[in-house]
Amino acid sequence: EIVLTQSPATLSLSPGERATLSCRASQSIGGYLAWYQQKPGQAPRLLIYDSSYRATGIPARFSGRGSGTDFTLTISSLEPEDFAVYYCQHRSSWPLTFGGGTKVEIK
Amino acid sequence: EVQVVESGGGLVQPGGSLRLSCDASGFTFSNAALSWVRQAPGQGLEWVSIISEYGGSTQYADSLKGRFTISRDDSKNTLYLEMKSLRVEDTAVYYCATVMSGTWWFDAWGQGTLVTVSS
Repeated sequence: EIVLTQSPATLSLSPGERATLSCRASQSIGGYLAWYQQKPGQAPRLLIYDSSYRATGIPARFSGRGSGTDFTLTISSLEPEDFAVYYCQHRSSWPLTFGGGTKVEIK
Repeated sequence: EVQVVESGGGLVQPGGSLRLSCDASGFTFSNAALSWVRQAPGQGLEWVSIISEYGGSTQYADSLKGRFTISRDDSKNTLYLEMKSLRVEDTAVYYCATVMSGTWWFDAWGQGTLVTVSS
């Protein structure tokens, strides 16, 4: 099973600041990584897939990059609605797994 | 608009069984792979199971094999998750999700149904 490790666990930032979230895979997964956003009481929402492609309707301030074992989600300038928990997920092999999540909170 | 709505959650005793349903609309159901993902209270996301278009193949999280069964009824646009021998640690919100065509990414999610396993 591929383990995805997200860091940091919590990121405390102010609106307008840049957020950089990390996801590291226990073995190479090529570019097969996605990012999801989850707000309290809501279902997750797909943000980025195949490492760097934005899903439909996702603002350009969200970007992803990486390949192999190291991946990054960047939010260029935090909007109030971006404070949430973010999860990464791989599809390189079975079973599919998610990372433990990074909470982006208001500083 | 793609919509998926889960139902069937509730309180069940340890060792019991439950069947979850997911009713879908807004897309060609038979052409879509579908999945279940769960989230224990206050915890992260855990992938549970996936079924391919037309039900040709299924996959499960290693820890759930043998206890959970995913199936679909394309005539009813409904996805199912049959759960047996339930344990306290199966307590979670269970989400139904559609799978982006040609991938294993989850691009539309329901609001979830809560399963509580407790005596």
